[in-house]
Order: sequence, then structure tokens, then C-alpha cells
Amino acid sequence: QVQLVESGGGLVKSGGSLRLSCAASGLTFSDDYMSWIRQAPGKGLEWVSHIGSSGTYTNYADYVKGRFTISRDNAKNSLYLQMNSLRVEDTAVYYCARRSMSDCSDGTCYSYYFDYWGQGALVTVSS
Amino acid sequence: SSELTQDPAVSVALGQTVRITCQGDSLRTYYASWYQQKPGQAPVLVIHAKKKRPSGIPDRFSGSSSGDTASLTITGAQAEDEADYFCNSRDSSGKVTFGGGTKLTVL
Repeated sequence: QVQLVESGGGLVKSGGSLRLSCAASGLTFSDDYMSWIRQAPGKGLEWVSHIGSSGTYTNYADYVKGRFTISRDNAKNSLYLQMNSLRVEDTAVYYCARRSMSDCSDGTCYSYYFDYWGQGALVTVSS
Repeated sequence: SSELTQDPAVSVALGQTVRITCQGDSLRTYYASWYQQKPGQAPVLVIHAKKKRPSGIPDRFSGSSSGDTASLTITGAQAEDEADYFCNSRDSSGKVTFGGGTKLTVL
């Protein structure tokens, strides 16, 4: 049974920093791409970042690039999101999710999807 | 553009069929996946790679795609299907976009 458990959320002032963690179990964590996805209160889902299985590959949404850093520790089955220079608009529930891929040909996978999700960690940035 | 557009709200009578759509240029190349989210819960994957259904998802959920539009169809909608539905796709740079979501009401 796959479990993803986020921690580290809380209240922080604009300009401050916070580090989220995600503890994974029930999957071969070191083989998996992982992602952070957020959802502002009453709003839709917004992809934040993903990281390759070894940690070498990372990708970020433009609205967090340069402020957020995704990382992982495969020995601890853990995913992290370091969030710096936080803004009020970063207020959201942050979900940890496994990113899977399918329908691959010649090095390109045409489907990216998120098949396991944590319950989320609330980050509130005040002005 | 990597934007994905969904109708904000759709309603369906109990037991009837409803289609939820997701439109965007990226869908001409890359495949859509769909998620169901109920209040206070994390999203659940219901369709991936246009039309593949994960184990445990009822077969009344199906997916299709044509041109720049992907569709999620619920055949014989049940009361428990009332939820928000989101699509996602990737773009050529490996980034991911979600649609704005569709609130499904089962009447």
C-alpha cells in the first residue's frame, strides 16, 4: 500500500522560507519520479516541480523557478521542497505525488500522470 | 500555448451520461489524464494516457481524445461521482499543466 505523507507546512510571513517534506512508503522510491503540486484555497491544481529518480533531473513551473528547490534523499525515501522568498500567492495546500509516464517512443513519453498523492500540507503566507 | 481549458461547471441527471472536456494545443501532441477530487480530499487518478483506466476505477469512466480536445465521459453517473474533475498534460519542455477544473453536479 503506497503512502505519501507531507509535513512541514505552516504559517510564514511574506519573504520567509519553509521546507516541506514527503515521506514515501510502499513504492520503490528510488525508481520513481516525484512531484509537488499545489492548490490554493478554492482554486484548481497547479504543478510546481518534479525531480527524476536519481535527483539529477529537475523541472520547475515559471512562477516558482529561482525561489523553490526540489530535492530527494533516496536512502530516506523522502522528497523535499525548499521554498524561499515566499509570497502571499504561494498560499496553498502542497501535495506530494508520484509522477508516472507512459506511451514512450524514441525517448519521448507522451503521457505524464500522477497516480499516487499525499493528503497535502497547508502553507499559509501572510503579508 | 500550454494552457488547458475546461468548462467550470457541468450537471447531469442521476443515471445519465455526461462528458467533460479539456481543450489545449498541447493535446495535439501529448496525452491527457484526468483526476477526480472530492471536498477535503486529495485528487484521485481516474484516466491516464487519454483512455487508460487505473485498477479500481469503475468502468463507467472512460476517456477519449480528438485533435486539441480530450474528453472524460461518465456513463450512468452516480451520486458519488459528484466532484471536481481536472485534466492535465505535459508540454515539450517537460512541464505540466492542469486545466482549471470542472465542478460536476449530479441532479
